[in-house]
Amino acid sequence: EDKVVQSPLSLVVHEGDTVTLNCSYEVTNFRSLLWYKQEKKAPTFLFMLTSSGIEKKSGRLSSILDKKELFSILNITATQTGDSAIYLCAVENSGNTPLVFGKGTRLSVIA
Amino acid sequence: GAVVSQHPSWVICKSGTSVKIECRSLDFQATTMFWYRQFPKQSLMLMATSNEGSKATYEQGVEKDKFLINHASLTLSTLTVTSAHPEDSSFYICSARDPPGMNAFFGQGTRLTVV
Repeated sequence: EDKVVQSPLSLVVHEGDTVTLNCSYEVTNFRSLLWYKQEKKAPTFLFMLTSSGIEKKSGRLSSILDKKELFSILNITATQTGDSAIYLCAVENSGNTPLVFGKGTRLSVIA
Repeated sequence: GAVVSQHPSWVICKSGTSVKIECRSLDFQATTMFWYRQFPKQSLMLMATSNEGSKATYEQGVEKDKFLINHASLTLSTLTVTSAHPEDSSFYICSARDPPGMNAFFGQGTRLTVV
């Protein structure tokens, strides 16, 4: 059975801290791994990763995939209160199949 | 970029009534859309896969007679919660990919409250 495991489930940090969110997976026909940020509504897209070792970066957020060890990390540097959200990791199999989601990491950034 | 629009964003209904939620792909054709349900502080749970022109595929434990899915066109899928009960109160989200294999786009979500 396909599964995606995220850790930690919940995290509280102070503004300015750097955080690393983890996502490990076991799926049958891996195509890509995606990170989403969810605040009050539907998830919003952050990154799609398909190749190992290539870091994707967007501002203070970055992510990398290790296809050999089957995991990805999402880094957020110099955190701000606006980064408080649930971060979801999802894995896509080949074919037009639904994403397999992890349970998410709830990040709270306090001033 | 591709946009998926979901309507309504928020609905309150009485027990026993039915509620229809629409999911539209605005600038691409989606032969397949996915419906998710999310309980507070939990991740997205796949309910069903909606296929244009054919019957939806439901996940185990999801009642197909209660959650009716219709995907009559390449840009519209609907989820109808029939005879809603308070335990159906939840956040429902649809998604589609353009094209298959690219980033999945989500609708805004519908928060359903059954009283």
